[in-house]
Amino acid sequence: NAGVTQTPKFQVLKTGQSMTLQCAQDMNHNSMYWYRQDPGMGLRLIYYSASEGTTDKGEVPNGYNVSRLNKREFSLRLESAAPSQTSVYFCASRGLIGYAEAFFGQGTRLTVV
Amino acid sequence: GESVGLHLPTLSVQEGDNSIINCAYSNSASDYFIWYKQESGKGPQFIIDIRSNMDKRQGQRVTVLLNKTVKHLSLQIAATQPGDSAVYFCAENRGTGFQKLVFGTGTRLLVSP
Repeated sequence: NAGVTQTPKFQVLKTGQSMTLQCAQDMNHNSMYWYRQDPGMGLRLIYYSASEGTTDKGEVPNGYNVSRLNKREFSLRLESAAPSQTSVYFCASRGLIGYAEAFFGQGTRLTVV
Repeated sequence: GESVGLHLPTLSVQEGDNSIINCAYSNSASDYFIWYKQESGKGPQFIIDIRSNMDKRQGQRVTVLLNKTVKHLSLQIAATQPGDSAVYFCAENRGTGFQKLVFGTGTRLLVSP
């Protein structure tokens, strides 16, 4: 099993450009998450989707939009990238019940210049 | 010893010592907690979890203690090895339906041979 797959692994954007980060999981999980991690810092929750068809804001949602395309896929969109959005982005998924670990992808390293 | 740097606090130990990593959480309604290990350039990996109806849970070389009275969580690593060097995060389950998974600041563990 691939687990959680993120694409791309690396991306450089110019300020004002837009892009979508893709995430897919093959574990039949209900919940999916997007986090950002700045250098030397912890993970901050951007958006999450507790189940297919629902999305909710996390701690730092400004400047981002998400789409839960289906049960497998959860995408993160930057409409107008800013240097402050330079970070490593992690996608994660969890099973049906709340008492379960989240599985993480390998991350997307995004630089906005 | 333990020090607080500009970002992640760091705990430095000698190989073979026992390590204790602490985490404070803020939401008294949080009912499930997870410890993750993150090695450089990788996504977080599950170590151990605990539900709020427990005070202690043991795994292989790791023990998690939960003190709900003071909203404090700790991870104990026995006989710490150089391979344990990484950043450790606690995460708590919060929010409606308790699907919102929020991470703490993290602690960098450095193990010297």
